[in-house]
Amino acid sequence: EVHLVESGGGLVQPGGSLRLSCAASGFSLSDYWMQWVRQSPGKGLMWVSRLSGDGSDAAYADSVRGRFTVSRDNAKNTLYLEMNSLRDEDTAVYYCGRGCFSNSGGCVGYWGQGTLVTVSS
Amino acid sequence: DIQMTQSPSSLSASIGDRVTITCRTSQIVRTYVNWYQQKPGKAPNLLIWTTSNLHSGVPSRFSGSGSGTDFTLTITSLQPEDSATYYCQQSYTTPITFGQGTRLEIK
Repeated sequence: EVHLVESGGGLVQPGGSLRLSCAASGFSLSDYWMQWVRQSPGKGLMWVSRLSGDGSDAAYADSVRGRFTVSRDNAKNTLYLEMNSLRDEDTAVYYCGRGCFSNSGGCVGYWGQGTLVTVSS
Repeated sequence: DIQMTQSPSSLSASIGDRVTITCRTSQIVRTYVNWYQQKPGKAPNLLIWTTSNLHSGVPSRFSGSGSGTDFTLTITSLQPEDSATYYCQQSYTTPITFGQGTRLEIK
């Protein structure tokens, strides 16, 4: 059974950093594209980043490019999102997701439960 | 960026009704439109992938169609558990974009 568990969220001051983790089970991370999607309180879904199975192809939303870095540790079967220079507008629940099928770089077939990041002084 | 315009933004329907939600893309996205359902406080769930493919475990009352720039999610015979917010998404190119959501209320 596919299972994704995010962790690492919390309260951070503007300009600070956080690293989110997404522990995967039930499949091998190296076989799938992975995504990060966020949702600000009361708002809709916003795509943040994606990473290919072999880690060679990463993409970011304009609003986070240069501040966020997605990576993976296939040995630990864990996806990461390193977030630097955090802003108030980065406050959101962050979800990790697995591609619908092995070569799917956009469709999210499985989602974690989300982790809340609050950026506030 | 490809804009995804969903309509309506909210609707109210009765048990057993047929409901249609539309999504218009600002550019051609081939068939790379997906649909998600999200209930309050929960993660989204995939319903339909690449326009018309039903995700595993999703009831057959959900269906998707469309081409070009106009896509549709249809729910036939609405059930109480279908009360949720629905999002379309284009996965044709990055940045991947979502519609603003359609809140469906059961009367």
